[in-house]
Amino acid sequence: AQKITQTQPGMFVQEKEAVTLDCTYDTSDQSYGLFWYKQPSSGEMIFLIYQGSYDEQNATEGRYSLNFQKARKSANLVISASQLGDSAMYFCAMREGWASNYQLIWGAGTKLIIKP
Amino acid sequence: GAVVSQHPSRVICKSGTSVKIECRSLDFQATTMFWYRQFPKQSLMLMATSNEGSKATYEQGVEKDKFLINHASLTLSTLTVTSAHPEDSSFYICSARDAAGAQETQYFGPGTRLLVL
Repeated sequence: AQKITQTQPGMFVQEKEAVTLDCTYDTSDQSYGLFWYKQPSSGEMIFLIYQGSYDEQNATEGRYSLNFQKARKSANLVISASQLGDSAMYFCAMREGWASNYQLIWGAGTKLIIKP
Repeated sequence: GAVVSQHPSRVICKSGTSVKIECRSLDFQATTMFWYRQFPKQSLMLMATSNEGSKATYEQGVEKDKFLINHASLTLSTLTVTSAHPEDSSFYICSARDAAGAQETQYFGPGTRLLVL
């Protein structure tokens, strides 16, 4: 079964609009973490934001915020005031437990295209 | 954020040759590094977990004799694709965790595009 599900393979959004990228996860662990990474066409993976399962407040980093709904097991990324440079692939990933060499479980990604 | 470099960024080689890819953490020490492979329009596929001073842990289906990993220091891990074949052509990307920092974040290198002719 998929542990990380990103249901939107692609999205087109008008510049300056807000964007919500969906991510749902499946885990039986009490301790876990959720990440969002951005991958532009150059290929590099850029860390955007992190949410721990015990964090009571939604994480925010500049224009990025994570809408964490624990009961629904969702961790959607919200980008406010989108810019042309936001066009990229976006991946949601999850860390389970606290093993020192934990692995990340990756979603399939969402391709976001910002229209001028 | 922390900086991870990869070298080379692109490599074209003939079938049967070996290719070494380096992954360096530039401003932190990394006890653990990860090697991923990514096919076009797909997500990252973890190949192996590289631990400083010990043998790498390979994921199921990844040939350890073909993809040699060496993590000789806290700032350097290398992936050697031995006897490369065209099907090994892919985007290889490494990541590293800061041994002294928060446990949460993996920082990624810029990736290496390998083309085997």
